[in-house]
Amino acid sequence: GDSVTQMEGPVTLSEEAFLTINCTYTATGYPSLFWYVQYPGEGLQLLLKATKADDKGSNKGFEATYRKETTSFHLEKGSVQVSDSAVYFCALNSNYQLIWGAGTKLIIKP
Amino acid sequence: DAGVIQSPRHEVTEMGQEVTLRCKPISGHDYLFWYRQTMMRGLELLIYFNNNVPIDDSGMPEDRFSAKMPNASFSTLKIQPSEPRDSAVYFCASSPYRDRSGELFFGEGSRLTVL
Repeated sequence: GDSVTQMEGPVTLSEEAFLTINCTYTATGYPSLFWYVQYPGEGLQLLLKATKADDKGSNKGFEATYRKETTSFHLEKGSVQVSDSAVYFCALNSNYQLIWGAGTKLIIKP
Repeated sequence: DAGVIQSPRHEVTEMGQEVTLRCKPISGHDYLFWYRQTMMRGLELLIYFNNNVPIDDSGMPEDRFSAKMPNASFSTLKIQPSEPRDSAVYFCASSPYRDRSGELFFGEGSRLTVL
């Protein structure tokens, strides 16, 4: 079946560092891909999405590009802030269900 | 606009007691989802509704769990009797459509502790 694999956390970075969180997927067809973020004590919220190959989703300085050839949707940010500390979830839409990755905890130190 | 509203935010109960979690989705959203989040199992879809009708409850762990949606603005998730392994954060989410958009709007969750 369809699945999403994320890099394990926690990922610990210093403020202003470059961020990459890897996400790869297995799916039949061409699913839409998503990154959700969960701040401490809160529910998940959509960060960005891409609906077809080569699309780039972006929001709040974060970007991810839908790469069909490598079945990847890696999340990147050029300069992280302490406020970016959260858990990040990669997901895909398959047969009208969201398939979730396990989540990657990001810790940013000042 | 108000987001998805869940209550209670925190619930501590003893094994064997009945627990009822409540959710008010965003007005106009016709899909509603119940998720459970634990460290061990991550995020699990329990059940979802479309226009108040349960569509897929295959994620409900066992008969102790039940969910209802009596109208478009209210849903409940009930656990009876509760067990310590039910301790988790339960999220409700709503969506205006169930196509490839995949955008769900989550509540802040109900943290359940069963002693």
